[in-house]
Amino acid sequence: DAKTTQPPSMDCAEGRAANLPCNHSTISGNEYVYWYRQIHSQGPQYIIHGLKNNETNEMASLIITEDRKSSTLILPHATLRDTAVYYCIVRVLYTDKLIFGTGTRLQVFP
Amino acid sequence: GAGVSQTPSNKVTEKGKYVELRCDPISGHTALYWYRQSLGQGPEFLIYFQGTGAADDSGLPNDRFFAVRPEGSVSTLKIQRTERGDSAVYLCASSRQKAGGLADTQYFGPGTRLTVL
Repeated sequence: DAKTTQPPSMDCAEGRAANLPCNHSTISGNEYVYWYRQIHSQGPQYIIHGLKNNETNEMASLIITEDRKSSTLILPHATLRDTAVYYCIVRVLYTDKLIFGTGTRLQVFP
Repeated sequence: GAGVSQTPSNKVTEKGKYVELRCDPISGHTALYWYRQSLGQGPEFLIYFQGTGAADDSGLPNDRFFAVRPEGSVSTLKIQRTERGDSAVYLCASSRQKAGGLADTQYFGPGTRLTVL
């Protein structure tokens, strides 16, 4: 079973920051938080991952709370092309399968 | 460089037929994964290869499903006696294996949409 909880859908205006929350209250000390997204009719695309420190790359920022029970993915300036389903996944680094939930459907509007 | 490729992109078959789905991983990636995605759901793990061997096949739904990776590169997912419930998008992903056995980020292909009539 998925170990994360996400809202089923969110809207965001183009050019604004999109903040996607994820709860993972049962996360263990060696488990990473991964984010993928899936644009319609494409395979999932890796976005970012982290353990306990905040992370940033060219696509997004990941903010993990100090107790690691929740995190937020931030797309700083959302564009229409960011419309997709966003999946938050808790993954033990030594295991190899990703367990997806149903994700958050982000709709970016003009 | 080239990403994960999957062929065919679409496959329509009749109930009871046999199908093969192919995955070409990113060059140099030793780990390969198959997932299945039904409409409105997130991808569901099927099987994972490390090199030529299946390291974890716990997600295969039954013995009609089988996958091979004979030379440690290309993989084929085989489905016998297809059923309408097998209709889904079949996704393949690959990753490097880091030192110490740590699994690296998985990169996905575009998927094969299988429709069983």
